[in-house]
Amino acid sequence: EPEVTQTPSHQVTQMGQEVILRCVPISNHLYFYWYRQILGQKVEFLVSFYNNEISEKSEIFDDQFSVERPDGSNFTLKIRSTKLEDSAMYFCASRADPRHFGSGTRLTVV
Amino acid sequence: AQTVTQSQPEMSVQEAETVTLSCTYDTSESDYYLFWYKQPPSRQMILVIRQEAYKQQNATENRFSVNFQKAAKSFSLKISDSQLGDAAMYFCAYRVRGGSEKLVFGKGTKLTVNP
Repeated sequence: EPEVTQTPSHQVTQMGQEVILRCVPISNHLYFYWYRQILGQKVEFLVSFYNNEISEKSEIFDDQFSVERPDGSNFTLKIRSTKLEDSAMYFCASRADPRHFGSGTRLTVV
Repeated sequence: AQTVTQSQPEMSVQEAETVTLSCTYDTSESDYYLFWYKQPPSRQMILVIRQEAYKQQNATENRFSVNFQKAAKSFSLKISDSQLGDAAMYFCAYRVRGGSEKLVFGKGTKLTVNP
């Protein structure tokens, strides 16, 4: 069965730096999602993306965050100026079917 | 707003025994889905079982089954014949049909399986 792949699996960055998290969703899917899980807490919705536009975003998804699908295959989440509290697991999901979760990127901001 | 509540932060069970994890949710929608996810220490999200709200029959997947009480907005997970590999965080999640179909998660229950 096709999988959603995320890179990198772990990224360490300095506070204030920009990071880009990458996801390769399943090719024929149209809806994409980013979720965040701070260590020890629940998974939280960040943003959904459909037809090259944001369809819904949460309160967490402020101006520091952006998403795009630059080349028709990759789906990226950019954090412009990372803060310590951005340290979390970030999951990409392809379509609403929850089987299609990526394995996550663990972001550590130091 | 939709919310999902898991009232048991931690549960434990003896190997080969049965355990039930609780989940309640709040919604005004009538057409939605409910899910249980397992998250082992690797932190990957693994779908355990799903339930469509329009189906009265409770979903079952091998040793995993649910007790779906729509009127009470309750969705518990029963794990039978517990195995050491079942030890993990378990998250209950909800999504409505239509719109962005985002998932809303509960805070999770940490399950320990004792040998």
